[in-house]
Amino acid sequence: GAVVSQHPSWVICKSGTSVKIECRSLDFQATTMFWYRQFPKQSLMLMATSNEGSKATYEQGVEKDKFLINHASLTLSTLTVTSAHPEDSSFYICSARDVGQGTDTQYFGPGTRLTVL
Amino acid sequence: AQSVAQPEDQVNVAEGNPLTVKCTYSVSGNPYLFWYVQYPNRGLQFLLKYITGDNLVKGSYGFEAEFNKSQTSFHLKKPSALVSDSALYFCAVRDSYSSASKIIFGSGTRLSIRP
Repeated sequence: GAVVSQHPSWVICKSGTSVKIECRSLDFQATTMFWYRQFPKQSLMLMATSNEGSKATYEQGVEKDKFLINHASLTLSTLTVTSAHPEDSSFYICSARDVGQGTDTQYFGPGTRLTVL
Repeated sequence: AQSVAQPEDQVNVAEGNPLTVKCTYSVSGNPYLFWYVQYPNRGLQFLLKYITGDNLVKGSYGFEAEFNKSQTSFHLKKPSALVSDSALYFCAVRDSYSSASKIIFGSGTRLSIRP
């Protein structure tokens, strides 16, 4: 299957700093990528849909000024957690949608564990 | 509105026995159905999907799932479980083949295979 990478795999930062997480589709182009947040022992919560060349679409309750999303190319989307606080600590997972060659499947990155001290 | 339900938080099976992880869905249009597996501290791995065609879908690692329209179910199955199958399994649904539709995940079922 297609491969999606995330970087970094884990990050620890101080409260008040900003953290950028990268998501790349390695062997396909993705006009649409998604960012999810997962709390321990819970399902994935969709935060936003990232569209290449346009603004991201945020889910209700997700602060767009806090979680900045940029989808500058067909293989890269970034999520920046601005002015991070301990409650932002979580497992962040990105996903890229592959619609090439008659398929339509979302592939997921390995996730980024963010810990805010 | 679309939704997906996984009624079992945990399923315990002995190695070598068949396993079933249940999933039911609700959509207004035609469903796209997916199963993903998540190992500890990892992202989700795609197992299989149903879009159209045969109701029995075969996927990775020997898993298969059967689409049942009348029961609105898409249960995941495997004839003979392995200890390495122990993980968290998510069923997901998307309503119609639309770039605007979103994939919705179930709450997850933890599968535990005992030796």
